[in-house]
Amino acid sequence: GAGVSQSPSNKVTEKGKDVELRCDPISGHTALYWYRQSLGQGLEFLIYFQGNSAPDKSGLPSDRFSAERTGGSVSTLTIQRTQQEDSAVYLCASSLAGWAEAFFGQGTRLTVV
Amino acid sequence: AQTVTQSQPEMSVQEAETVTLSCTYDTSESNYYLFWYKQPPSRQMILVIRQEAYKQQNATENRFSVNFQKAAKSFSLKISDSQLGDTAMYFCAFMKQRGAGNMLTFGGGTRLMVKP
Repeated sequence: GAGVSQSPSNKVTEKGKDVELRCDPISGHTALYWYRQSLGQGLEFLIYFQGNSAPDKSGLPSDRFSAERTGGSVSTLTIQRTQQEDSAVYLCASSLAGWAEAFFGQGTRLTVV
Repeated sequence: AQTVTQSQPEMSVQEAETVTLSCTYDTSESNYYLFWYKQPPSRQMILVIRQEAYKQQNATENRFSVNFQKAAKSFSLKISDSQLGDTAMYFCAFMKQRGAGNMLTFGGGTRLMVKP
């Protein structure tokens, strides 16, 4: 596609439910990143995928968070048993290679009530 | 680990004037990239300007320029002839050059308001 696409744009969920957030990177981009942006805060790195290498999960805040990238393209970020502190905007980015410019999607605003 | 600090949570500037946003960082790396990203209300992060640490010349993109002071670990963004469309959050970011696919480390952001 023309840019990084994220869905849904907004998601409201009840505390304790599981949610899945989707990211479609730019075609041909081998690197994919997930970031979290809490209200009024900067971006916090969550996880990074590069080609077929094992993902860098060093930013995941707890074991309730997981992500996968199927076929080196689409990625899904899953949050299990959501908590109110998980409320944030989740941004996905992709780049042609690990060192190249990262292009961001418009994010998913997650609200846990 | 790298850290990026933006000491100005909010700034304002009159349309057509010049404003400078500050950024400092801390790293033990010698080769790296620095970026300024803009985030308008649409939430999408947009790359404004990029600087390679090995380059002494400051990067420039139209009305946007940087003052990169490697020894001082300072990377400020100057916006000339400010326009209403420049109103946004601005984030300074750091990325290691060594290795593949290093993540960006972001500062806390500066909210810029351009006033008519």
